[in-house]
Amino acid sequence: RKEVEQDPGPFNVPEGATVAFNCTYSNSASQSFFWYRQDCRKEPKLLMSVYSSGNEDGRFTAQLNRASQYISLLIRDSKLSDSATYLCGVGNDMRFGAGTRLTVKP
Amino acid sequence: EAGVAQSPRYKIIEKRQSVAFWCNPISGHATLYWYQQILGQGPKLLIQFQNNGVVDDSQLPKDRFSAERLKGVDSTLKIQPAKLEDSAVYLCASSDRRGSPLHFGNGTRLTVT
Repeated sequence: RKEVEQDPGPFNVPEGATVAFNCTYSNSASQSFFWYRQDCRKEPKLLMSVYSSGNEDGRFTAQLNRASQYISLLIRDSKLSDSATYLCGVGNDMRFGAGTRLTVKP
Repeated sequence: EAGVAQSPRYKIIEKRQSVAFWCNPISGHATLYWYQQILGQGPKLLIQFQNNGVVDDSQLPKDRFSAERLKGVDSTLKIQPAKLEDSAVYLCASSDRRGSPLHFGNGTRLTVT
């Protein structure tokens, strides 16, 4: 089993849609969780940290489920500019999943 | 705040040649990471430094890859000899401490022919 696994995607959604991605991790001792966004041929950039109680940043909501060892990212009211690959990063040694590609269409 | 600096941006070499990449992290960041990202895949951790000490190099192919972080600031990653499957983007990232969000450099795109 891989240390970090993500929904393979790709996700193709219309503008205004709500979309959710999941990411599972194998190390139950992990304490740090993040979502990064990576545009084509660019470096990953931090989208948001994921806190135990869940957190929201505008249209983005992140959740952590320690019992089932997964984190999720919910994007509401999708914009064309949300099209990117979303990476989850887990643990002090920051292991990443393979990424989930999102395309938002007009 | 200046970001993570990497050089070169692009490198093309033939198989069996050697190559080196350089990274200068954000000032004051104690933790430095090197990742390999093959097209269509997520970043794969090669090595993590805390100051000038290695924290994790379990996924570094030590028969051909080496890395150092002298004086706990900038770092170099070397491949010797290169193989075709080493073609990838090599990303350097830093954070102020382990478990904090990473700041990535622009990466070095390596093509091995």
